[in-house]
Amino acid sequence: QSVLTQPPSASGTPGERVTISCSGRTSNIGNNYVYWYQLLPGAAPKLLIYRNNQRPSGVPDRFSGSKSGTSGSLAISGLRSEDEGDYYCAALEDSLTAYVFGSGTKVTVL
Amino acid sequence: QVQLQESGPGLVKPSETLSLTCTVSGGSISTYYWHWVRQAPGKGLEWIGYVYYTGGTNYNPSLKSRVTVSLATSKNQFSLKLTSVTTADTAVYYCARSDTDMVWAFDIWGQGTMVNVSS
Repeated sequence: QSVLTQPPSASGTPGERVTISCSGRTSNIGNNYVYWYQLLPGAAPKLLIYRNNQRPSGVPDRFSGSKSGTSGSLAISGLRSEDEGDYYCAALEDSLTAYVFGSGTKVTVL
Repeated sequence: QVQLQESGPGLVKPSETLSLTCTVSGGSISTYYWHWVRQAPGKGLEWIGYVYYTGGTNYNPSLKSRVTVSLATSKNQFSLKLTSVTTADTAVYYCARSDTDMVWAFDIWGQGTMVNVSS
């Protein structure tokens, strides 16, 4: 069972905006940054968001992150078919001194 | 452009040791953190541990008693050893990199290698 809770699925039509939540506790998201990763079929995982809302170079500005209290969220605007895949949040867990991932959300483009 | 490539046996017997290597190409293994992450079939991602370019390590407490991550700097490689494996260790294993000022932002990943634990 993951320490960080995400909805198992999210979907939208091309061009729509989809938001994925990541719920944690004070000991993880509350005290630390949130990160987001994208896993597409047949591809290496990709860092989408670091330090709550920062995008690495090369990541389109369609992807945005935010954090409030013990929850983080990832928004994908202008949804495209190539965005279909799995998305994971992550954060440092103070009680374990370990990096923990969320349960993952499968995004489907209808 | 830095690339990571995992290699190692795809099949390991229960109770034996799983050994994987990650080869870093297009850049130096110095001044970064080098991580291992796995994903069991149908499950989410799990961080295993890291080695810093100085040789310092940090492991997931759930695996700490069985894990060793080490550097082979002259070969520009780092490795994972997981002892006393069980079928629960069957997973895709990824190696990844993070920078010194952003330890937990894994900016480059390998494609992953599937390891089955079975007799």
